[in-house]
Amino acid sequence: DQQVKQNSPSLSVQEGRISILNCDYTNSMFDYFLWYKKYPAEGPTFLISISSIKDKNEDGRFTVFLNKSAKHLSLHIVPSQPGDSAVYFCAASPSNFGNEKLTFGTGTRLTIIP
Amino acid sequence: DGGITQSPKYLFRKEGQNVTLSCEQNLNHDAMYWYRQDPGQGLRLIYYSQIVNDFQKGDIAEGYSVSREKKESFPLTVTSAQKNPTAFYLCASSIKGFGYQPQHFGDGTRLSIL
Repeated sequence: DQQVKQNSPSLSVQEGRISILNCDYTNSMFDYFLWYKKYPAEGPTFLISISSIKDKNEDGRFTVFLNKSAKHLSLHIVPSQPGDSAVYFCAASPSNFGNEKLTFGTGTRLTIIP
Repeated sequence: DGGITQSPKYLFRKEGQNVTLSCEQNLNHDAMYWYRQDPGQGLRLIYYSQIVNDFQKGDIAEGYSVSREKKESFPLTVTSAQKNPTAFYLCASSIKGFGYQPQHFGDGTRLSIL
């Protein structure tokens, strides 16, 4: 039972344009959401997060949007740069566990085309 | 500088042998975690520990064991009972007690059973 879903295994975007990565979840107990970026043969790197009390969080070129009613979140990268080419994982945590039990999506491979 | 060190980066073992993966952190984090990643899948939680001498099973603990004798160390043993141990193993740590804090990851150990 996949509680966090990233339905697009891959995405290609032209350099300088906007990259939009999507994530859906089914567990209404999820209260905190994170995006991680992962290069091959390395561990994931934390990118940005959002609490369920917000609908948007911005950090430089990265913005995460949360739509609780639709159980959907998205990560926007503007402008996209070649170094953004990586696999992006969405993760979620239930409110009653804090951050102990992160549930990850299967990832989206983003390729930025120069 | 501070970080999470996983060693070795690549590990080969014969079928039926137990093998121990090392994870050390000098971030003074209280909580530590072990995840497993298989191709095309997200990270799945094996075990986690919030405090020294205490640990909890994650979603896929069968065939694995851990110990937490020191705050900075959280070794994972893959036992012969684990039916499909070949995978990429990731260790993470996080601060406790300050609300939601992201987990920070090491660079992983790729285990191959011959």
